[in-house]
Amino acid sequence: GDSVTQMEGPVTLSEEAFLTINCTYTATGYPSLFWYVQYPGEGLQLLLKATKADDKGSNKGFEATYRKETTSFHLEKGSVQVSDSAVYFCALSDPMDSNYQLIWGAGTKLIIKP
Amino acid sequence: ETGVTQTPRHLVMGMTNKKSLKCEQHLGHNAMYWYKQSAKKPLELMFVYNFKEQTENNSVPSRFSPECPNSSHLFLHLHTLQPEDSALYLCASSQAGRGSNQPQHFGDGTRLSIL
Repeated sequence: GDSVTQMEGPVTLSEEAFLTINCTYTATGYPSLFWYVQYPGEGLQLLLKATKADDKGSNKGFEATYRKETTSFHLEKGSVQVSDSAVYFCALSDPMDSNYQLIWGAGTKLIIKP
Repeated sequence: ETGVTQTPRHLVMGMTNKKSLKCEQHLGHNAMYWYKQSAKKPLELMFVYNFKEQTENNSVPSRFSPECPNSSHLFLHLHTLQPEDSALYLCASSQAGRGSNQPQHFGDGTRLSIL
């Protein structure tokens, strides 16, 4: 079945450092890919998405490119801030799944130190 | 994000109590979901409702009972829970349909503690 694998955390960086959180997937069809973020004490929020190969999703300085050849959707940010400290989840959806489910990665905790 | 509202935000209950979690979405979506989020475990999908019909039940114990009276409201009825049921319970909604790639929108969750 479909699956999503994320790099394990926590990832600890200093402010203004470059961020990469790896995400790879397996899917039989042509999934849509998502990054969600969960700040402390809150639910998950959609950060960005991409629906087809070579699409680049971007939001709040974060970017991720849908790479079909490497089945990856790595999250990047050029200069992180303390306020980016959160848990980040990679997910995929198969548009042909009649249950409309998201397949989730385990989440990666990001800690940014001043 | 105020599109999906969950109440209460925090709930402490004994193992013999009966309580209900409530979720309401104001986004006009046709699908709603219950998730369980436990520390150091992946997000677990519990139930899916599409057009008020339950389409998924991921082997959830019967002490959890969902109810979806309309496409805007979703409840999770709890009874005789166990300590391992302590977790954050998240509700989500989406506009679902074959071929849809719409994201899910989440509430802030109910933090449940079982004494």
